Amino acid sequence: AQKVTQAQTEISVVEKEDVTLDCVYETRDTTYYLFWYKQPPSGELVFLIRRNSFDEQNEISGRYSWNFQKSTSSFNFTITASQVVDSAVYFCALSEAGTGNQFYFGTGTSLTVIP
Amino acid sequence: DTGVSQDPRHKITKRGQNVTFRCDPISEHNRLYWYRQTLGQGPEFLTYFQNEAQLEKSRLLSDRFSAERPKGSFSTLEIQRTEQGDSAMYLCASSLIIALDEQFFGPGTRLTVL
Repeated sequence: AQKVTQAQTEISVVEKEDVTLDCVYETRDTTYYLFWYKQPPSGELVFLIRRNSFDEQNEISGRYSWNFQKSTSSFNFTITASQVVDSAVYFCALSEAGTGNQFYFGTGTSLTVIP
Repeated sequence: DTGVSQDPRHKITKRGQNVTFRCDPISEHNRLYWYRQTLGQGPEFLTYFQNEAQLEKSRLLSDRFSAERPKGSFSTLEIQRTEQGDSAMYLCASSLIIALDEQFFGPGTRLTVL
């Protein structure tokens, strides 16, 4: 079973629109970490955010914000006022203390911001 | 540059050939992970080391794959008798045992098997 589900395969938005990328995870561990990474066409994984399972506080960083809800096992990512440079594939990932902290990645959401 | 480095960045080989990739983790990072990413998919875990010990291998790591980390520093991933299905990006990541939630990824090695 997929531990991390990103149901949105591709999203297109017009520049300056807000966009939310969904992530649903599955784990039995009480200690786990959730991540978002950006992967531009160059291929490198760019770290965006890390949250641990004990901290449900939402976070805002510039145009980026994250909504972590344990009750629905979701960790959604919102980009406000999208820009063309935001075009990339975005991955949500889960790391569990009980499985060596290996990362379980979702299948990614390809975001295209149209100028 | 003090990040994770991987060599080569690109490798093109013919089916049936052997290839070896190298990963140099961040200095003093105890944990080293290998992942494989095929087109349109997220990275998938292959194996990880704690110092020189290989602690876990995914079922994705067939008999043709072998990984080593002989001195607990750099690691190599070898694929024998490559197949076209091995074409993928191979990613390496490292972390400290005291901060396992922080994995730093390298730029990857893109393998193309013709």
